[in-house]
Amino acid sequence: AQKITQTQPGMFVQEKEAVTLDCTYDTSDPSYGLFWYKQPSSGEMIFLIYQGSYDQQNATEGRYSLNFQKARKSANLVISASQLGDSAMYFCAMREVGGSNYKLTFGKGTLLTVNP
Amino acid sequence: EADIYQTPRYLVIGTGKKITLECSQTMGHDKMYWYQQDPGMELHLIHYSYGVNSTEKGDLSSESTVSRIRTEHFPLTLESARPSHTSQYLCASSPGQGLIGETQYFGPGTRLLVL
Repeated sequence: AQKITQTQPGMFVQEKEAVTLDCTYDTSDPSYGLFWYKQPSSGEMIFLIYQGSYDQQNATEGRYSLNFQKARKSANLVISASQLGDSAMYFCAMREVGGSNYKLTFGKGTLLTVNP
Repeated sequence: EADIYQTPRYLVIGTGKKITLECSQTMGHDKMYWYQQDPGMELHLIHYSYGVNSTEKGDLSSESTVSRIRTEHFPLTLESARPSHTSQYLCASSPGQGLIGETQYFGPGTRLLVL
């Protein structure tokens, strides 16, 4: 079974609107971390936001917020006020402590296109 | 802002050639990683290192090898390149504090094309 599932291969959003990118995960470990990365067409991976499994509040970083629903095992990324520069691939990733606590497991990604 | 560098950024090479992809970081991070990513696909861990003289294979089997002689340097070598090695290779590092929220910082990647 996939540990990280991103069900939206591609998403479109109008500039200045908000968009939600879905991520569900599978783990039996009580302690884990969830990450979102952005990958522009140039190829580098840019860290966006982190949510720990024991964090009481949803993480926020500027225009990025993470809608963390632990019981449903979902960690959706919300981008508010989309900008043209937000067009990129977005990857959800998870780190579990039970195995090796250094390793990140990535989803297949969602390609976001922001239309003017 | 992370300081992690990869060279070359792009490489086109013929089958059978030996290649080394360079990765350096100036942050003093203990842990370093190599990921392989096919176009439009997820990243797969192929090698990692806890520190100097420590290297391990990742989840995805790879014919490449790595070395970690200095903290800041983690090169990846392919002894005999094949078309199946065509991919993007991403290097990353993290502080190595063992925290669940430890962020991995990525380099710009090397896009390899083997003809």
